[in-house]
Amino acid sequence: QSALTQPPSASGSPGQSVTIACTGTSSDVGGYNYVSWYQQHPGKAPKLMIYEVSKRPSGVPDRFSGSKSGNTASLTVSGLQAEDEADYYCSSYAGSNNFVFGTGTKVTVL
Amino acid sequence: EVQLVESGGGLIQPGGSLRLSCAASGITVSSNYMSWVRQAPGKGLEWVSVIYSNGNTYYADSVKGRFTISRDNLKNTLFLQMSSLRAEDTAVYYCARRQSSNWGLDYWGQGTLVTVSS
Repeated sequence: QSALTQPPSASGSPGQSVTIACTGTSSDVGGYNYVSWYQQHPGKAPKLMIYEVSKRPSGVPDRFSGSKSGNTASLTVSGLQAEDEADYYCSSYAGSNNFVFGTGTKVTVL
Repeated sequence: EVQLVESGGGLIQPGGSLRLSCAASGITVSSNYMSWVRQAPGKGLEWVSVIYSNGNTYYADSVKGRFTISRDNLKNTLFLQMSSLRAEDTAVYYCARRQSSNWGLDYWGQGTLVTVSS
């Protein structure tokens, strides 16, 4: 159950786009379409932003989009806004009823 | 409105035991897949355990044999019994509802802090 790999940080100016990669293996990200993304502001609980690779829960802006290619999933935030500054975590089903999170990425809006 | 409220955290010595609770409203715990996720101070998220609506339970390797997830259907409450606690179990513990059709965790509590220290 090794954590999925994410870059520690990413940044962009307001209105720009930022993409965060989440790299796993064929036993997790590459093997299932059960990749989710979470946004976490300091001191707050995580919030589900994307599930099943690219689906958005009700209420999540369409500026947030997800995709996957092979063992790497990606979250793109388009039209960056100040409130998008937060930590982002990917997660994936890893088989045998196991579940793994990514290492987390701090997104800074410049 | 769905609300999950954790309680039971605190300071505990290494080797000790603690039981966390997660009181739910707006959803029925027994009909849902409920998980515990933890976050060590300044660190990332770590999945801990899940209990399915059929009662099956699963654990991360790091807690297997030491933690037990359970629920009280009458009280609509989820529990995490933690024993043989170690310093590395120090974390904020969140309960969350896992969507049954996928592994998205769509409702989260506010978390309860467990500190394992002598």
